[in-house]
Amino acid sequence: KNEVEQSPQNLTAQEGEFITINCSYSVGISALHWLQQHPGGGIVSLFMLSSGKKKHGRLIATINIQEKHSSLHITASHPRDSAVYICAVTQGGSEKLVFGKGTKLTVNP
Amino acid sequence: DSGVTQTPKHLITATGQRVTLRCSPRSGDLSVYWYQQSLDQGLQFLIQYYNGEERAKGNILERFSAQQFPDLHSELNLSSLELGDSALYFCASSPRWKNTGELFFGEGSRLTVL
Repeated sequence: KNEVEQSPQNLTAQEGEFITINCSYSVGISALHWLQQHPGGGIVSLFMLSSGKKKHGRLIATINIQEKHSSLHITASHPRDSAVYICAVTQGGSEKLVFGKGTKLTVNP
Repeated sequence: DSGVTQTPKHLITATGQRVTLRCSPRSGDLSVYWYQQSLDQGLQFLIQYYNGEERAKGNILERFSAQQFPDLHSELNLSSLELGDSALYFCASSPRWKNTGELFFGEGSRLTVL
């Protein structure tokens, strides 16, 4: 079992739909990152969370430390949101970042 | 633009060869991280430097080495290359030494070993 599990692996949505991507982890962490990787390959950091909830534009990230679970929500999805979304955790007491395998999101017009 | 610069963007070489990938962090960032992304393994942490010193090591092969120079740029050296080393190599920087701050990624260096 991977230390970081994401679901779903693939997600197809229609423009305007509300999107949820889930991330579960099995280790103690000091931080959780949500990353976005576009088809060209570049990676952008969306959020870094250690507790609670963060919002940036149409993106919302939440984390539940007790349940070892985080969600990334996209409201009013748009074709430009099409990308791979990657969850990564920093293990407590370590600088090692452990990555999930990513969720490939396709938003159709 | 993240402010992190990686060169070269693309590199094609043969098995057994040696290559050097270069990363210039954002101005003022002291931490540099190297990651490998391959089709079968996904993203993996290789190594971290902070202000010239190695801070953490991940799944980095003995054939690979890295260093951070006084001007804070970093180089990842890959030697005795094998087909399986073909991957995207990312560098990221952060102002902090702890991996609990925002990371800024470069565009990556795509290595193809033939």
